[in-house]
Amino acid sequence: IAGITQAPTSQILAAGRRMTLRCTQDMRHNAMYWYRQDLGLGLRLIHYSNTAGTTGKGEVPDGYSVSRANTDDFPLTLASAVPSQTSVYFCASSPFSGPGGNEQFFGPGTRLTVL
Amino acid sequence: AQKVTQAQTEISVVEKEDVTLDCVYETRDTTYYLFWYKQPPSGELVFLIRRNSFDEQNEISGRYSWNFQKSTSSFNFTITASQVVDSAVYFCALSDSGNTPLVFGKGTRLSVIA
Repeated sequence: IAGITQAPTSQILAAGRRMTLRCTQDMRHNAMYWYRQDLGLGLRLIHYSNTAGTTGKGEVPDGYSVSRANTDDFPLTLASAVPSQTSVYFCASSPFSGPGGNEQFFGPGTRLTVL
Repeated sequence: AQKVTQAQTEISVVEKEDVTLDCVYETRDTTYYLFWYKQPPSGELVFLIRRNSFDEQNEISGRYSWNFQKSTSSFNFTITASQVVDSAVYFCALSDSGNTPLVFGKGTRLSVIA
């Protein structure tokens, strides 16, 4: 593994189903993030974690939950998927090694379609 | 609250033309950081540059250059002699000094036509 991996690459999901998007990084970065990308809206932050054991809400957290049990993994769960959650989801990480301005490294994305 | 505005939704240029992508930001912080990312058609997000609020020197990297002006709260990105491979969505982003997550603009889609 090099960098950030996300799984699955794409998924079609029936509305109402539960889904977990996986994200793993091997850079030992402290901070991790989940974004969704929608046409015309750019990247919007869903949830983030500044360090293992802590999480925070972003701009669009409703309908999503996250956990950060260890440094490497940051799964995103849709408890009961709805069509408006159809999007491309990006996981990112940053070193968080000091004052702000850390570059974020992005995974390849997961394309999710909720029918 | 922090905000990043990329007023140009789409730009189309002919190969070898110069093109400037605009980015205007809002923040109450005196220390902050600005970024540009590129998203080519393949979909991945590629980091291009980071600039802190205390460094207003323009930066040039090959055909890419960035103009940071605090007086107008702008951090514009210019591609000189554009090439087809420059076709992508470009995002400007902002973070403050408190290790808060990046705030992204909505992106500018650049199409370079051969």
